[in-house]
Amino acid sequence: QSVLTQPPSVSEAPRQRVTISCSGSSSNIGNNAVNWYQQLPGKAPKLLIYYDDLLPSGVSDRFSGSKSGTSASLAISGLQSEDEADYYCAAWDDRLNGWVFGGGTKLTVL
Amino acid sequence: EVQLVESGGGLVQPGGSLRLSCAASGFTFSSYDMHWVRQATGKGLEWVSAIGTAGDTYYPGSVKGRFTISRENAKNSLYLQMNSLRAGDTAVYYCARGRIGGDYVDFDYWGQGTLVTVSS
Repeated sequence: QSVLTQPPSVSEAPRQRVTISCSGSSSNIGNNAVNWYQQLPGKAPKLLIYYDDLLPSGVSDRFSGSKSGTSASLAISGLQSEDEADYYCAAWDDRLNGWVFGGGTKLTVL
Repeated sequence: EVQLVESGGGLVQPGGSLRLSCAASGFTFSSYDMHWVRQATGKGLEWVSAIGTAGDTYYPGSVKGRFTISRENAKNSLYLQMNSLRAGDTAVYYCARGRIGGDYVDFDYWGQGTLVTVSS
């Protein structure tokens, strides 16, 4: 059971928009920045969103992040087949004194 | 270009030991925190350890007392000594660079991973 809760899977048609939620608590998301990672099939994770809503250089602006209270969301607009991947949220947890990840969400582009 | 290359994975018996290495290049290694993150087959990511620029170390409860992270700045290398290995430690182990901003920390570069299999 992961400390951060994500839906196991989401699916949507090409060119549509999808959101992935990440629920935590006051000791992690509620008090620390959230990062999102994209893991393409068979590849290492890649930083997708940092500090709740900032995009690293080179990441498409079809990706966006947001946070409210103890929950965060990743939105992907204009879905493309290349977006099929696993997505993970992560945050520092003050109570555990360590990094925690969500269980991951598998995105399928129909 | 930042590169992180892990090595040292393999098959080990329960109760055995293994030492992973991560060779870093393309950045000033000594200026960055470094992390190990693992992923069991078909499962999610799990943070395993971290080491700061001053050599301070951090572990989750699942590996504390069994795993030891270390670094050798002169060799631009990160290590993970794993003792008393269990079947549940079977996973791909990634090293990742920790980037620290004003109010944030993230893992901005990852290696390709090395597979550790604990089995008799």
